[in-house]
Amino acid sequence: DTAVSQTPKYLVTQMGNDKSIKCEQNLGHDTMYWYKQDSKKFLKIMFSYNNKELIINETVPNRFSPKSPDKAHLNLHINSLELGDSAVYFCASSRPFGKAFFGQGTRLTVV
Amino acid sequence: QQQVKQSPQSLIVQKGGISIINCAYENTAFDYFPWYQQFPGKGPALLIAIRPDVSEKKEGRFTISFNKSAKQFSLHIMDSQPGDSATYFCAASKASGNQFYFGTGTSLTVIP
Repeated sequence: DTAVSQTPKYLVTQMGNDKSIKCEQNLGHDTMYWYKQDSKKFLKIMFSYNNKELIINETVPNRFSPKSPDKAHLNLHINSLELGDSAVYFCASSRPFGKAFFGQGTRLTVV
Repeated sequence: QQQVKQSPQSLIVQKGGISIINCAYENTAFDYFPWYQQFPGKGPALLIAIRPDVSEKKEGRFTISFNKSAKQFSLHIMDSQPGDSATYFCAASKASGNQFYFGTGTSLTVIP
């Protein structure tokens, strides 16, 4: 059983399109995250949700909108995609102050 | 502002050697320090973690050394193997927050 699963694994789309990435965790964790990993492999937090409530919203353009329908899901919707949005996006979950489990990543390529 | 600084950026070690990766932090509120291992095309996976009440933690060939006064911690990989070739990230988190601050990563290559 995959602990943190995200779909799709690969996403190629044109500039200006709107796309979503889905994430689900079956670990019963209260906290979920979205991270962006750039071409230099730097991992940067985008959002953190605790019990469906937004806790952290780093300096991310408002074209990025997370949605948490329940504790087990945290989806990422991106409007008006730009070339600079190309990266690998990771979903993760953890218990408060506990170790984080990461999904396999979604490689987004904007052309 | 980089909350956790990591070095070196890349490391090449002979099989059987010791790999050492160092990290430093400024925020004394951090109280949990994990190391993550990432293989190409995969998500980061927790390798080993330490809390500041101990100075060392060992799990198999992997050891974290923690120096609270210097605000530094390091990962030692003993008897390095080619299968250890991956990118390693240190991280830190604090009790009052809900996020992990990651170092910039170290690409480790173990030569057979």
